[in-house]
Amino acid sequence: GNSVTQMEGPVTLSEEAFLTINCTYTATGYPSLFWYVQYPGEGLQLLLKATKADDKGSNKGFEATYRKETTSFHLEKGSVQVSDSAVYFCALSLQYGNKLVFGAGTILRVKS
Amino acid sequence: GAVVSQHPSWVICKSGTSVKIECRSLDFQATTMFWYRQFPKQSLMLMATSNEGSKATYEQGVEKDKFLINHASLTLSTLTVTSAHPEDSSFYICSARDSRGGTDTQYFGPGTRLTVL
Repeated sequence: GNSVTQMEGPVTLSEEAFLTINCTYTATGYPSLFWYVQYPGEGLQLLLKATKADDKGSNKGFEATYRKETTSFHLEKGSVQVSDSAVYFCALSLQYGNKLVFGAGTILRVKS
Repeated sequence: GAVVSQHPSWVICKSGTSVKIECRSLDFQATTMFWYRQFPKQSLMLMATSNEGSKATYEQGVEKDKFLINHASLTLSTLTVTSAHPEDSSFYICSARDSRGGTDTQYFGPGTRLTVL
């Protein structure tokens, strides 16, 4: 079946540290890949996406590259801020815009 | 971006009663909406796909008679939890599919916390 595996959290970093949140997937076809972010008390927001192999999604200093050979879509940011503290979800969709399969979510805590 | 609202944001009800949750796309029309359930410290699990003007498509293991979905207009989908029990307590989240301009992105509501006593 289709599934997404994320690294377990919480991840605790100091401000300006480098961030990596690992995400790997299993899919029967060629999925589109997404990172969503959920800030405290808010709904999920699309952070970035990639629809085919080797695509790089980027937004707000975050980026992730669709790696077909390793079935991965790791999220990275060079310098995190306290305001980046949130829950990050990796997700896939086998048909762009269609139903999403989510990973378990990774809590990120950034300390000043 | 597009905005999706949910109402209520939280509800507490007695066991055996029914609860209706609304999901609205505020500035776009959505022929497709999705309902998810999120348990504490766990991921979102898709419950059903709601299609405007037709029956919802439920995921395996989701009781369609328990979780009634109605997508009566292009901006509104409702989820009714019938004869709720404590095990139905959860965080329910909807999303709406925005297909304008070929973007085809899901926008999520803020969620509804249901507590069944």
